[in-house]
Amino acid sequence: DAGVTQSPTHLIKTRGQQVTLRCSPKSGHDTVSWYQQALGQGPQFIFQYYEEEERQRGNFPDRFSGHQFPNYSSELNVNALLLGDSALYLCASSLIRRLNTEAFFGQGTRLTVV
Amino acid sequence: DAKTTQPNSMESNEEEPVHLPCNHSTISGTDYIHWYRQLPSQGPEYVIHGLTSNVNNRMASLAIAEDRKSSTLILHRATLRDAAVYYCILAYNNNDMRFGAGTRLTVKP
Repeated sequence: DAGVTQSPTHLIKTRGQQVTLRCSPKSGHDTVSWYQQALGQGPQFIFQYYEEEERQRGNFPDRFSGHQFPNYSSELNVNALLLGDSALYLCASSLIRRLNTEAFFGQGTRLTVV
Repeated sequence: DAKTTQPNSMESNEEEPVHLPCNHSTISGTDYIHWYRQLPSQGPEYVIHGLTSNVNNRMASLAIAEDRKSSTLILHRATLRDAAVYYCILAYNNNDMRFGAGTRLTVKP
């Protein structure tokens, strides 16, 4: 079992550009959540996808959008990048029917905006 | 959102027990108490969670106060590999977890 895999591991983008990050959930999991972690801070919840729809959203602007595919994998898109979007982006997967159990996190994508 | 308060940092000696406290005075009746830890350059890793009763697993124990306004994560024998940032999180489910700054645990050999 490969666990949660994220790609790419590192990315450098220019301010104003757009970026797409990818996540494959742990085998058997159907729910994907995305988090942003700035340096020295805890992860901040961006949104959660289940059945290819956004179910919950944290306090992030519409520049942050996502998608979930029929195979449960997910993408996070960020438009009009700002310097402040530089962070580690984490994906977590779980089972919708077992919401009060553990979530599994990937190792993240380190995004640097210059 | 219900918030948690944790010390910024703690130190422990190797092979000694560690008690990591967490205060959550505004916890609601449906909030579970989750603990995750994050090792350097890795994503968070699940440690343990509970609702009302104390919980044990292979990694740690979770002691929950009777009024649920505080909890303590117990690592029975700290190892160097336990050095990490430990997060105490209140959440009804694991899909909307609100992380704080956590406690940075240093383990001394």
